[in-house]
Amino acid sequence: AQSVTQLDSQVPVFEEAPVELRCNYSSSVSVYLFWYVQYPNQGLQLLLKYLSGSTLVESINGFEAEFNKSQTSFHLRKPSVHISDTAEYFCAVRGLTGGGNKLTFGTGTQLKVEL
Amino acid sequence: EAGVTQFPSHSVIEKGQTVTLRCDPISGHDNLYWYRRVMGKEIKFLLHFVKESKQDESGMPNNRFLAERTGGTYSTLKVQPAELEDSGVYFCASSPYGRTNTEAFFGQGTRLTVV
Repeated sequence: AQSVTQLDSQVPVFEEAPVELRCNYSSSVSVYLFWYVQYPNQGLQLLLKYLSGSTLVESINGFEAEFNKSQTSFHLRKPSVHISDTAEYFCAVRGLTGGGNKLTFGTGTQLKVEL
Repeated sequence: EAGVTQFPSHSVIEKGQTVTLRCDPISGHDNLYWYRRVMGKEIKFLLHFVKESKQDESGMPNNRFLAERTGGTYSTLKVQPAELEDSGVYFCASSPYGRTNTEAFFGQGTRLTVV
């Protein structure tokens, strides 16, 4: 079984400032890691994923996340946020073995970018 | 290519009534999942279909929930009778079968309010 902890329920930040959204997970097996984003009035969209290889993964809109196995973390970062990044961000894990393909999500972090 | 489609987008029903949610997955995706988010909490797995077969229904809350996927295409999730605690956003997701290194694609969700 897996669990995901997103300690920050809300993160307010000014435009052009850096941001980090924290995600820690617990699992007895190796995992795939994902960040999904939900913009206002829209569905969940995949932002980025870690499956294997380089521990630093990037999205097309400037976000990046680094898989840290020793700290069981997958924090999401962006060096300079834009007003359009306002959304709710969900960290999720899926076990490589057992449990089927189901995702275990954190409680989400609401990112609010202010002018 | 059309994404995952869910209908209706919103539903308000009275306690004790019946509601049926529908999900049309991406064409060719044999994996279909239902998830639910109760307000302020994490997105939780409900069940997983592979084609028309239920692979994992460990997340279904109780026997008031019935999911079907006749013919292995679209799926329905029926709640009968609805209770107040059933309120939340119900997400459907799909993914190709046999490809563990791919993400699940989500629909926009159905917001269910039981009054």
